Formats: sequence, C-alpha cells, structure tokens
Amino acid sequence: DAGITQSPRHKVTETGTPVTLRCHQTENHRYMYWYRQDPGHGLRLIHYSYGVKDTDKGEVSDGYSVSRSKTEDFLLTLESATSSQTSVYFCATGSVSGNTIYFGEGSWLTVV
Amino acid sequence: DAKTTQPTSMDCAEGRAANLPCNHSTISGNEYVYWYRQIHSQGPQYIIHGLKNNETNEMASLIITEDRKSSTLILPHATLRDTAVYYCIALTNTGNQFYFGTGTSLTVIP
Repeated sequence: DAGITQSPRHKVTETGTPVTLRCHQTENHRYMYWYRQDPGHGLRLIHYSYGVKDTDKGEVSDGYSVSRSKTEDFLLTLESATSSQTSVYFCATGSVSGNTIYFGEGSWLTVV
Repeated sequence: DAKTTQPTSMDCAEGRAANLPCNHSTISGNEYVYWYRQIHSQGPQYIIHGLKNNETNEMASLIITEDRKSSTLILPHATLRDTAVYYCIALTNTGNQFYFGTGTSLTVIP
C-alpha cells in the first residue's frame, strides 16, 4: 500500500467553522485527489492536483478549496462548514506511470 | 472518459466464482478498464486493469469483450472477505480523473 496518511481521522465541528483535512504521502506521487463518499452517491471527486501548486476542480468542488505547496501534502479546506458536508473524505495518490491510484483510510467529518 | 454501467448488487456463494459485469459501450480506443473494490469503511483498493487483452493477477481476472463494450471481473473462488462494493472505471492512460460511480455491492454468502 502507498504511504498515505489522512488527518484527522475523525472530527466533529460546528456549522460555519473552517475545517482543514490533511493528506500526507511518502511515495513521491505526482497526482493527489480528494473524494467524498455519501450513501447513495458513491465516491465523488472534489478536487485533484497534478503537481505542486497545480490543482483543478472535480465534480463536487463547491464549498471546498485545496492547496498543494509540497509534493507530499494535499490540504482540503472547508471555509465555512455546512451540515451537507458531513461525509467521509478519502485522499488518493497516483504516479504518472501505471496510472493506478491508491487510497488513504478516510477522514470522518461530522458538521453539527 | 466513458460512462460505465454496473448492476447495483449481486450475491455469490462462498467458494464459487463471482462474475461482475460492467458495460462501457462508449469506450474509446485509448481508454483502459479499471476495477477497484471497497470493503466497508475502508479506502478503495486497486484490483486490476486492462486495455483489450484479458488480464489476470493474484486477485482476479478481467475479461474484456472483443468490441470492448463490456467487461467482466472474475473472482475465481469467492470468500466472505470478498464482500465489498466493486467499481468499474474507464479511463485513458493520460487522464487521471478517476470517477467512481456507485459500483456493484457484492455479497458472498456462506
């Protein structure tokens, strides 16, 4: 398994507060992704990055921003959390060659 | 990237082969077929991928039809630990936006 660490693994926060989730990888993979998973919707891509300071929107990017200042770290920020952002968030990474991506263990976020 | 269609759920008896179908009728010539699975509450796990030839690894076999409009993931001897949601994805080898959809929920029955 790729060395992917997500933090925090579990968080409860209040509506309107900012939240940042961190994904850290030790594989030197170029590509990094943030997904959310909700019942009935499967995995949905929020944002992805194809290198340092290079990011792009996925299919459900509203309300989220990302930053990638180092190869190993990809941060997902909820500027003002809402209850609809209660979800499980998965980070993934991929190298250029092979095109296979590997997932972290997930971060459970509850917005109350 | 081509859209894929999978059955919502399937059952399989323990020890028997599990055959999971995927339809990708709009797949283009440079799009690979990838399979991932997700065991409850864990991150998705890569299984196998292929372009047009059948592929086999220690986890599964992938059979792609000659016209490439559909494929089947085969777990040769399903165990209870294979109970999971299985995702089929079509993606070019230069595209890195993996869109997963809702997959097939496979239940292996004792």
